[in-house]
Amino acid sequence: DSGVTQTPKHLITATGQRVTLRCSPRSGDLSVYWYQQSLDQGLQFLIQYYNGEERAKGNILERFSAQQFPDLHSELNLSSLELGDSALYFCASSPQALGRSEQYFGPGTRLTVT
Amino acid sequence: GESVGLHLPTLSVQEGDNSIINCAYSNSASDYFIWYKQESGKGPQFIIDIRSNMDKRQGQRVTVLLNKTVKHLSLQIAATQPGDSAVYFCAEIHDYKLSFGAGTTVTVRA
Repeated sequence: DSGVTQTPKHLITATGQRVTLRCSPRSGDLSVYWYQQSLDQGLQFLIQYYNGEERAKGNILERFSAQQFPDLHSELNLSSLELGDSALYFCASSPQALGRSEQYFGPGTRLTVT
Repeated sequence: GESVGLHLPTLSVQEGDNSIINCAYSNSASDYFIWYKQESGKGPQFIIDIRSNMDKRQGQRVTVLLNKTVKHLSLQIAATQPGDSAVYFCAEIHDYKLSFGAGTTVTVRA
């Protein structure tokens, strides 16, 4: 158990819909990262927040957005969903801002878009 | 031990042998590298890391080697065990962003 929690574990929704994935980092960790893992693209970094502020952006689509709240939990919002958005979405946390440290991954949310 | 010179998507290892997993990274400016292990149905798990000012780092049964000249990273697992069966990813960090390699699926034969 990494100490990072993600909800829900599974999510099935239809194309065009919007969903919100939630992540609670390890106690004391200020950085939260979001990743997408699909069969054809592998693990892709989406976005990082540090202490409530966006720190780095990766391959995140404009239809996706994220935020980190004052209690440090984070939400990833996926809108206008397409079949290709079906993937595992992982959240990770670390104590530092720079990313040069061990990241602890949550168990992931499996999103299926039908 | 089992080893590969280039990255291969799969590696089959006899239990008790040493494993070597290779990874080529893309950005010569990357200054931090991590190996992760991902078991089926779970999130990636940190194994070991190395900074770009080092060429070798050892952990418990694992060693990471970094060759910046050819942008190559390897993970050596000593005395491979059944619990080592998983997908292994190398990752590089540049400009705050973590980029993962394609992953190598390691299967340990009894």
